[in-house]
Amino acid sequence: DAKTTQPPSMDCAEGRAANLPCNHSTISGNEYVYWYRQIHSQGPQYIIHGLKNNETNEMASLIITEDRKSSTLILPHATLRDTAVYYCIVRDNTGTASKLTFGTGTRLQVTL
Amino acid sequence: EAGVAQSPRYKIIEKRQSVAFWCNPISGHATLYWYQQILGQGPKLLIQFQNNGVVDDSQLPKDRFSAERLKGVDSTLKIQPAKLEDSAVYLCASSLRLRQSSYNEQFFGPGTRLTVL
Repeated sequence: DAKTTQPPSMDCAEGRAANLPCNHSTISGNEYVYWYRQIHSQGPQYIIHGLKNNETNEMASLIITEDRKSSTLILPHATLRDTAVYYCIVRDNTGTASKLTFGTGTRLQVTL
Repeated sequence: EAGVAQSPRYKIIEKRQSVAFWCNPISGHATLYWYQQILGQGPKLLIQFQNNGVVDDSQLPKDRFSAERLKGVDSTLKIQPAKLEDSAVYLCASSLRLRQSSYNEQFFGPGTRLTVL
């Protein structure tokens, strides 16, 4: 079962920042937070992951609260191509299996 | 770099028929995954291979589903016989290697959309 809670849908105007929240109140010390997205008719695509520090890459920023019970994925300047379902996943990196357990995600609609 | 290849992209069959899906992972990727994604849901892992060995098949319905990766490269997933509830997109993914205390990004193929009538 997914260990995260996300809003089912969000809207964002093109050019504005998209802030996607995720609650993971039962996260354990070994578990990382991952974000993937799935554009219509495509397979999921990795975006970013982190443990407790904020992370940034060319696609997005990940802000994790100090208690690690929630996080926010930030797309700084959303475009129409960012319209997708965004999945927040928690995963233990210390195990031998790299299993990803997807929930239902947040459907982000970027509009003109 | 070529991505994960899957075929066919679409398949329509009648219930009780058999079907097979093929996946060719990214070159050099030791770990291969098959996921099932039912409409409106996130992908669910069916089986995970490390080279040609099975790492996790706990969610594979073994009475009707089978998968193999004989030479540790490409893989096939078979359903025999198919049921109506098997209608879904079947996604293949690969990652570089399986190693403790590290994460290897999973790269997904475009999927095969199966419709069972």
